[in-house]
Amino acid sequence: RKEVEQDPGPFNVPEGATVAFNCTYSNSASQSFFWYRQDCRKEPKLLMSVYSSGNEDGRFTAQLNRASQYISLLIRDSKLSDSATYLCVVHPLNDYKLSFGAGTTVTVRA
Amino acid sequence: AAGVIQSPRHLIKEKRETATLKCYPIPRHDTVYWYQQGPGQDPQFLISFYEKMQSDKGSIPDRFSAQQFSDYHSELNMSSLELGDSALYFCASSPPLGSAYEQYFGPGTRLTVT
Repeated sequence: RKEVEQDPGPFNVPEGATVAFNCTYSNSASQSFFWYRQDCRKEPKLLMSVYSSGNEDGRFTAQLNRASQYISLLIRDSKLSDSATYLCVVHPLNDYKLSFGAGTTVTVRA
Repeated sequence: AAGVIQSPRHLIKEKRETATLKCYPIPRHDTVYWYQQGPGQDPQFLISFYEKMQSDKGSIPDRFSAQQFSDYHSELNMSSLELGDSALYFCASSPPLGSAYEQYFGPGTRLTVT
């Protein structure tokens, strides 16, 4: 079982729609949480860090539920440029490496 | 802003050859990570270095080795290449500890083994 599990999607949504998806993690000692986006054949790019209180960055809102060990990402007013694979990433305590989910594919159509 | 630099961007090698991938972290970042991403897969952690010392090791084959130099750049050396080594190799760097462990990825080296 992977340390980080994500719904692979794809989520196909029209422009302007809201899309949300979760990921779950198995290591309760995980310390830091991130959402990265990755476009085809490109490097993962940090989208946002996820804090316990939840945080928002423009049209993107991330939530962390430590009790249930899941992280969510919500995208409002979707743009065509939001089409990408969104990677849920977890950083365990006392570890250097990141644990990646397999990614959730989002396609925004005109 | 300066980003992680990787070279070469593309590399074609034959089976049993060797390859060296280079990574130049963001200035003042002291930790470097190497990841391998096969087609349709998520990045798999290979190895990391903190202050020029190996800090963590993942699924790196014995045929591969890596090091971090005094200027913090890192090199991944790959020997006896196999067809299965064909993948995107990403280097990432992170700032000094206490900065929420955010990692910033370079553009990757696409290695093709024929």
